[in-house]
Amino acid sequence: GENVEQHPSTLSVQEGDSAVIKCTYSDSASNYFPWYKQELGKRPQLIIDIRSNVGEKKDQRIAVTLNKTAKHFSLHITETQPEDSAVYFCAASYGQKLVFGTGTRLLVSP
Amino acid sequence: SAVISQKPSRDICQRGTSLTIQCQVDSQVTMMFWYRQQPGQSLTLIATANQGSEATYESGFVIDKFPISRPNLTFSTLTVSNMSPEDSSIYLCSTESNQKGYFGPGTRLTVL
Repeated sequence: GENVEQHPSTLSVQEGDSAVIKCTYSDSASNYFPWYKQELGKRPQLIIDIRSNVGEKKDQRIAVTLNKTAKHFSLHITETQPEDSAVYFCAASYGQKLVFGTGTRLLVSP
Repeated sequence: SAVISQKPSRDICQRGTSLTIQCQVDSQVTMMFWYRQQPGQSLTLIATANQGSEATYESGFVIDKFPISRPNLTFSTLTVSNMSPEDSSIYLCSTESNQKGYFGPGTRLTVL
């Protein structure tokens, strides 16, 4: 079935540390994997995405890796800052739609 | 990126009534999506709305409860019908632009 698992559900780090959030998906036909950041009371914002023809993508302090064989993809945030605190959602494409993971609440302490 | 607006931003409704949420995009888009996000939860797709065809509903969502209109390529509405307190949630519309997904600001619905 259409399923995206996301771990951990909560993650607390000290400012300057790295944070890693992991997701797995079930359909080998999925070919698009975006990550969204949602601050309290705000809409989800796309922060980075990766397509299945690429294994890794980086944008400043944020990177995403994809292992198609294992159906895993991960978000890496380096040098975390308090403003990175939010809920992060991964998603995987199933046909023309996205299925979202359950979310990770990231707390970055000064 | 697509600029998406929604109306109303929030509403408090009585049990048994209906509410229509509007979604406006600043450019023509093929597909629009309606999601529900219950407090502290993830995003659940309700339906996909293409202009000129019937909306496609996900498992657990039916047209009688969540009728959708898509009269043109920039606009869609979602109606939450015969509401109960369990319908209290945030409803978000979404679309794609340049192969990337964008969300509207959401409509926070409280049903008493």
